[in-house]
Amino acid sequence: QQQVKQSPQSLIVQKGGISIINCAYENTAFDYFPWYQQFPGKGPALLIAIRPDVSEKKEGRFTISFNKSAKQFSLHIMDSQPGDSATYFCAASMGGGGNKLTFGTGTQLKVEL
Amino acid sequence: GAVVSQHPSWVICKSGTSVKIECRSLDFQATTMFWYRQFPKQSLMLMATSNEGSKATYEQGVEKDKFLINHASLTLSTLTVTSAHPEDSSFYICSAMSLAGLYEQYFGPGTRLTVT
Repeated sequence: QQQVKQSPQSLIVQKGGISIINCAYENTAFDYFPWYQQFPGKGPALLIAIRPDVSEKKEGRFTISFNKSAKQFSLHIMDSQPGDSATYFCAASMGGGGNKLTFGTGTQLKVEL
Repeated sequence: GAVVSQHPSWVICKSGTSVKIECRSLDFQATTMFWYRQFPKQSLMLMATSNEGSKATYEQGVEKDKFLINHASLTLSTLTVTSAHPEDSSFYICSAMSLAGLYEQYFGPGTRLTVT
């Protein structure tokens, strides 16, 4: 029930295209859903996060879509660039659970020219 | 803002020795810090939650006597890997939550530990 399932495992997108990564969760007590970007040999960097009281959040080229009834959320990267090539992790936490993050398995994104 | 540093960035130690990794929040105070372990091409695995001034809470399966965590101040937490063995070789990452932020965790750059 604590798992967060992430797909796809890897993704290749052409420059300028849209990258879409999906996550699903079981625990309805989760109330915070962040996305992290990680480059090789570096720590994860917070990209964007959403709370379940909204269905969409946009920051620049990054958009989170959230479907509470389906217990799914996704990251859309518009106008994908080669510099976006990295591993992306979704995560979920609950304030009542000490804010511990449960991470998805990660998606390796490659943006080709 | 919200910068977290780790020191060292990489370390090589001999089997049986201990190594200490520092995690610092540089521009904010962190009541809670987390320690993660990450193997190549895998996700982050939470090892323990560290609260300032109290004992760390370890996740199931993590040996607390092997991975000693100390959170002595609102800006510093340390992880000591005691009697390290080659299987402890991994990428160790800390994160910190600020007093002001309710949920956001900010991650350090990680420490690559290699035990020979």
